[in-house]
This record gives sequence, C-alpha cells and structure tokens, in this order.
Amino acid sequence: QKEVEQDPGPLSVPEGAIVSLNCTYSNSAFQYFMWYRQYSRKGPELLMYTYSSGNKEDGRFTAQVDKSSKYISLFIRDSQPSDSATYLCAPGGAGSYQLTFGKGTKLSVIP
Amino acid sequence: DSGVTQTPKHLITATGQRVTLRCSPRSGDLSVYWYQQSLDQGLQFLIQYYNGEERAKGNILERFSAQQFPDLHSELNLSSLELGDSALYFCASSAPGLSSYNEQFFGPGTRLTVL
Repeated sequence: QKEVEQDPGPLSVPEGAIVSLNCTYSNSAFQYFMWYRQYSRKGPELLMYTYSSGNKEDGRFTAQVDKSSKYISLFIRDSQPSDSATYLCAPGGAGSYQLTFGKGTKLSVIP
Repeated sequence: DSGVTQTPKHLITATGQRVTLRCSPRSGDLSVYWYQQSLDQGLQFLIQYYNGEERAKGNILERFSAQQFPDLHSELNLSSLELGDSALYFCASSAPGLSSYNEQFFGPGTRLTVL
C-alpha cells in the first residue's frame, strides 16, 4: 500500500460546480496536511495546509482532515476555469521534514 | 514567481551521460529539497540539505548525488543516465528553522530527457 493514495482523474466539471478532491494515507504519524496546486509546466505552489484534524477555509477553498479515517479532502466552491490544474495532497511531519506527495488529481473546469 | 530559480530549463542528453542541475533557493532560505516528478511515480522526494548539510534522504538512486554550497545554492548530479531518468526535477526551498512545518517553495523545474 502506498503511503498516500490519490485518484489521478482526470476530473472535468462545469464552471460554478463544487469540486471534491480526496486523498487517503496510511501513516498515522502524519501531523500536518498540505494541498499544492500545479499548473501545467510549472512548479507546485502551496494552496492550503491544515494541522491535525478539522476544517480550514480560505475563500472558495476548504481543506478537511479526518485523522481517524486517514482521509484528506479539498473542496472548491464556485469553481473557475483558472482552477484547472493538478492538485496534490502532501501530508508531512511524521518525524521528518519531508512531505509525501500524492500523485495528484488533474482538474479541468469547463467554461 | 516563487523566488527559487533552476537551471537549465530543459536538458536533452544520451544514456550513460552525466548531468548537473542547479538550484538557487529563495533569499534567506536555508533548506533545499530535490524532487523527481514522472508521470507514473508522481512527485518523489529525493534529498534535503539544510545549511550545507544533508538532512534527509528519500528515494534517491546511488547514481544520483547532491550538495549544497556555502552560498546555499545546490546542485543535483545525475550520472550513468538511463531512459527511465527522464523526468521533471524540482528544487524547493523553505525558511530558516527546522520546525516540523515549513512551507516549501518550488522552482520552475528542469525537464530532463534521456535519449
């Protein structure tokens, strides 16, 4: 079992839809949970992070962590064509400074 | 623009060759991370340096090595290249301090093609 599993998609939604992106992980020692966004031919950029379980909201984005089920979610409300990118979940803090990235979900928002 | 620079942008070489990828971290960042991104494996952590010293190793092959210099720039050396080494190589840097959470800022990457 991989440490971080993420459905690669691709996921195609109409503009304005609510998008749900998910990851599962196996290492219960992970303490913080990042979501990175990667546009085509660019480096990943941090979108949001949460520490431990719970929700965190930032504008149209909500990150959710359920440590009991080892499940991470990112919700995007009122999705825009500019949200078209690959979204990578990246838990970390399991006794090291490195992040473990999921393979990423490719999202396309159709105008 | 993250402030992390990587050169070259593209590199095409032949099997068996050796290449060097270069990374300059954001001003003031002490940590440098190297990642390999391929279609089938996703983004894989290779190695981390902190202020010139190796801090963590991930899935780095023995044919690969890295170092961080006194001016904090870093180089990733890839030798005896194989077709399977073709990938995007990213460098990231993070702020001073070794807390468990430090946002990593990624460079634009170097696309390596091995023919």
